[in-house]
Amino acid sequence: EAQVTQNPRYLITVTGKKLTVTCSQNMNHEYMSWYRQDPGLGLRQIYYSMNVEVTDKGDVPEGYKVSRKEKRNFPLILESPSPNQTSLYFCASSLLGPVRVGNEQYFGPGTRLTVT
Amino acid sequence: GQSLEQPSEVTAVEGAIVQINCTYQTSGFYGLSWYQQHDGGAPTFLSYNALDGLEETGRFSSFLSRSDSYGYLLLQELQMKDSASYFCAVEDSNYQLIWGAGTKLIIKP
Repeated sequence: EAQVTQNPRYLITVTGKKLTVTCSQNMNHEYMSWYRQDPGLGLRQIYYSMNVEVTDKGDVPEGYKVSRKEKRNFPLILESPSPNQTSLYFCASSLLGPVRVGNEQYFGPGTRLTVT
Repeated sequence: GQSLEQPSEVTAVEGAIVQINCTYQTSGFYGLSWYQQHDGGAPTFLSYNALDGLEETGRFSSFLSRSDSYGYLLLQELQMKDSASYFCAVEDSNYQLIWGAGTKLIIKP
């Protein structure tokens, strides 16, 4: 089944404790992206990757890191989480660019992160 | 700055037609997409417009006017399962996808 998987789905952690949220897609997609979703703000892009070893900052990259060593995986790293990073996080992938030529993005199920 | 504006909430009756508007101000424009998100779920793709005009996909249609920086999503024959949040999103010239804050569609029987 074609899908984007994220782990963990739920995570409660404390300020400053490094964490990684994994994302994997099995559709051989070039483009992958991380978003955070907060009430009233919609989705905001954190980082995106056009291909292996190519990553770029989105709208709200501060406090986050990513890597794209393999085509299928795009982990999100919070080196020192803070309470303002409490949010719902989505990983997404698409065949090429985000919407050019109508490439739809496929989203993972989301990771609800709480930082205390 | 870059922004997309859409109503925060729209209410309609089952079986009716509803239009959700989206106006945008972005640095560059490659296309307008619409996504649906049910409570607790992930966004799912509905439609995409790169050129002016109407795109129809079953009960859903999407319209774009690039000269007006405006688009809308039209939902016909509303069903209770259409109760969800709907997001418009624009890809700008930097490959970034800029999202609206979402419109919550409430459907009453």
